[in-house]
Amino acid sequence: QVQLVQSGAEVRKPGASVKVSCKTSGYTFSIYYIHWVRQAPGQGLEWMGIINPGDGSTTYAQRFQGRATMTRDTSTSTVYMELSSLKSEDSAVYYCARDDFWGQGTLVTVSS
Amino acid sequence: DIQMTQSPSSLSASVGDRVTITCRASQGISNYVAWFQQKPGRAPKSLIYAASTLQSGVPSKFSGSGSGTDFTLTITSLQPEDFATYYCQQYNTYPYTFGQGTKLEFK
Repeated sequence: QVQLVQSGAEVRKPGASVKVSCKTSGYTFSIYYIHWVRQAPGQGLEWMGIINPGDGSTTYAQRFQGRATMTRDTSTSTVYMELSSLKSEDSAVYYCARDDFWGQGTLVTVSS
Repeated sequence: DIQMTQSPSSLSASVGDRVTITCRASQGISNYVAWFQQKPGRAPKSLIYAASTLQSGVPSKFSGSGSGTDFTLTITSLQPEDFATYYCQQYNTYPYTFGQGTKLEFK
């Protein structure tokens, strides 16, 4: 069955970076684009960007351009999202998602 | 960016009711709309794509309609497990954008 399993919770200080992984299984990795979406505490969903696992091409929302980097490892069917220059406002649950399946989410806390 | 305006932001209903949530896009997006359900502490669940097509395994009590700028999600015969927050999303143009959500609560 299709699964997207994300890495565990992270705590970072302001200015640091965090890299979240999303290991996929149960389908052909290269066929389905993967989105990254985040949700701050008590807030709605925010689309961050998308990666084509087939060729690694990416598109980012403007507000994350230059700060977010999405990559993939075809050997392990895993996609990654790295966010740099973290601020307290980046504290959120980060989700990877296919169009029809979502990962369980990864809580990132940014605190000094 | 395309703005997705969802209404209402919250909705009180009872078991057995029928409810409708609307989503208006700031510009025409054909039928490139998806709907998601989210329960507290859980990841969103995909319900509908292409405005009206149910994802596999989603019960027919959920239905979607619309094209262009105006879209609706209708849920019939509400059951306790349906009380959640619902989001629309446009995927016509990058950046893909979500509505602000509609919280469906027990009356």
